[in-house]
Amino acid sequence: AQSVTQPDIHITVSEGASLELRCNYSYGATPYLFWYVQSPGQGLQLLLKYFSGDTLVQGIKGFEAEFKRSQSSFNLRKPSVHWSDAAEYFCAVGFYGQNFVFGPGTRLSVLP
Amino acid sequence: DTAVSQTPKYLVTQMGNDKSIKCEQNLGHDTMYWYKQDSKKFLKIMFSYNNKELIINETVPNRFSPKSPDKAHLNLHINSLELGDSAVYFCASSQEGAGGNTIYFGEGSWLTVV
Repeated sequence: AQSVTQPDIHITVSEGASLELRCNYSYGATPYLFWYVQSPGQGLQLLLKYFSGDTLVQGIKGFEAEFKRSQSSFNLRKPSVHWSDAAEYFCAVGFYGQNFVFGPGTRLSVLP
Repeated sequence: DTAVSQTPKYLVTQMGNDKSIKCEQNLGHDTMYWYKQDSKKFLKIMFSYNNKELIINETVPNRFSPKSPDKAHLNLHINSLELGDSAVYFCASSQEGAGGNTIYFGEGSWLTVV
């Protein structure tokens, strides 16, 4: 069965520092890939998605992610983190005709 | 205009009670879902409906019963609530099935069973 891993449960960065959140999936075919963000007490908001084409995708709030087929990864990056980026981040994987699988999430804390 | 709205946002109730959470989407989507997020933030799908028909019914106690009166609404009724039902329940929707389509989430309903 397909699975999604986010190796880092909790990451702390200083404001202004760069950020990379890791996501790996396990499946034979290339899936559809998503990153969602959940701010405290809120629902999930889509940051970006990859369906096909350019493997570097741009999202909202200055985030980007790169799909690397050889590594089965879809890591999320941001060059300069803001305090408001503190949240829970979920990677999700979808396959046509099947349901989403969410990763366990990575909690991001931002130091002033 | 909220795309996926669910009520109530917070619900505190006693064990053994029956409660419902309502969900509505105004995106014109065909498919709606209920997800459960536990205390460790893990998201797990409970149900999926496509045009009012049940598509996915994961291993969920039969105390949980979804009802879809039309394709814009998917309500969740829970009978005989237990302490372990305390969680955040998210309603969501997508155009057709998920996989290749983005899922849009509601704000969540925080259920606490005491």
